[in-house]
Amino acid sequence: GNSVTQMEGPVTLSEEAFLTINCTYTATGYPSLFWYVQYPGEGLQLLLKATKADDKGSNKGFEATYRKETTSFHLEKGSVQVSDSAVYFCALSGPGGFKTIFGAGTRLFVKA
Amino acid sequence: NAGVTQTPKFQVLKTGQSMTLQCAQDMNHNSMYWYRQDPGMGLRLIYYSASEGTTDKGEVPNGYNVSRLNKREFSLRLESAAPSQTSVYFCASSEGVGSSYEQYFGPGTRLTVT
Repeated sequence: GNSVTQMEGPVTLSEEAFLTINCTYTATGYPSLFWYVQYPGEGLQLLLKATKADDKGSNKGFEATYRKETTSFHLEKGSVQVSDSAVYFCALSGPGGFKTIFGAGTRLFVKA
Repeated sequence: NAGVTQTPKFQVLKTGQSMTLQCAQDMNHNSMYWYRQDPGMGLRLIYYSASEGTTDKGEVPNGYNVSRLNKREFSLRLESAAPSQTSVYFCASSEGVGSSYEQYFGPGTRLTVT
């Protein structure tokens, strides 16, 4: 079945550091891939998405590239801010796929 | 534009009690979902409604029932609460079913069963 594996946290970085959160997936067919972010006390919100191989999703300085050859969708940001402290979820949705599969989430702490 | 709203925000129940979690969306979305979030396990789908008038089981439906009251509202009922149902519950909605549709989430209900 479909699954998503993302790196365990927490990840602690200093402000302006480079961020990578790894995400790999297993899926049949050609899923769409998502990164969602959850700020403290809130629900999840979409950060970025990619719907086909080699697509790059980007938003608020975050980027992720859909790599079919390595079944990965790693999240990157060049310079994190304290306000980026949150939990980040990688997710996939298969063809016809209302059943979105979420990873376990990676908590990011950014220190000033 | 309120998006997805959920009530209550917090609830404490004793084992065996029942309760209904309410969810409403004002985005005219066709599809709605209930998830539970437990530490280290991400979000797991409890039930979903692809469109008004339909509901289907997700990954972890045991102990829950749902009602799609109309296009806007989708409620989740715990008939006899158990400590294993202690969790944070999220409602979500999307325009439709399909791999590219974004889901919009409510703020969550934190439920404790003692």
